[in-house]
Amino acid sequence: KNEVEQSPQNLTAQEGEFITINCSYSVGISALHWLQQHPGGGIVSLFMLSSGKKKHGRLIATINIQEKHSSLHITASHPRDSAVYICAVTYGDKLIFGTGTRLQVFP
Amino acid sequence: EPEVTQTPSHQVTQMGQEVILRCVPISNHLYFYWYRQILGQKVEFLVSFYNNEISEKSEIFDDQFSVERPDGSNFTLKIRSTKLEDSAMYFCASALLDRTRHFGDGTRLSIL
Repeated sequence: KNEVEQSPQNLTAQEGEFITINCSYSVGISALHWLQQHPGGGIVSLFMLSSGKKKHGRLIATINIQEKHSSLHITASHPRDSAVYICAVTYGDKLIFGTGTRLQVFP
Repeated sequence: EPEVTQTPSHQVTQMGQEVILRCVPISNHLYFYWYRQILGQKVEFLVSFYNNEISEKSEIFDDQFSVERPDGSNFTLKIRSTKLEDSAMYFCASALLDRTRHFGDGTRLSIL
C-alpha cells in the first residue's frame, strides 16, 4: 500500500487553464512538500507546509491535516509549467514520496 | 542563489566496483540527504545526516552504502560493491533548520 497517493497520474491542459493536483497520505506527518521535477530530472522544492495554505506566484498549496489531504493549484497555467509534480511527506527525518503527476500544458 | 552541486552528472561503472558520488551542499546548511530514483519509479529516501552522523536511514541503505562528510564541505555517498539494481539517479539535498530540501541536479549511475 502506498503511503502517499497522488491524482491524477497524468494531466494535460490548455494554456491558461486552472490546474489541481491532489495528494492523500496515510501516515502521521510533520510536514508535506510539493516538488517539481523537470524533464532533465532536477528537483525543485515548491512548498513545505504543515497547515493551512501557501501561495507563491501562480502556485497555491493547501493542506487539511484532519483529512490527510493536500492540493496544489496552478492558476493561469503556461507551457513552462510542464513537469512532474511530486507530493512528499516528512515522516521522522525521512521524506516519503508520491509517484508524481505528469503535467503537460499546451499552447 | 546558492545551490547544491553534484558530480559527476553521469557515472558508468562495472558491476562489483566501488563508486563514490559527490555532493557539495549549500554552505550554511545543517542537514544532508541522499535519495535515489530508479528509472520510471518514484524517488526513495536513502539516508539523512546531521551533526556528523546518520540520523535516519531506509532499508535500502544496507552495509554496501556509506556516507561521509570528510572536510566540512563535501558530502559523499559510497557504494562498495555495485549491483545492477543500483542503477538509478541519485539526488543529494541539504536543508537548514526548517528542513526545506534544496536538491542537486542528480548523478545518473549506470551499472554495467
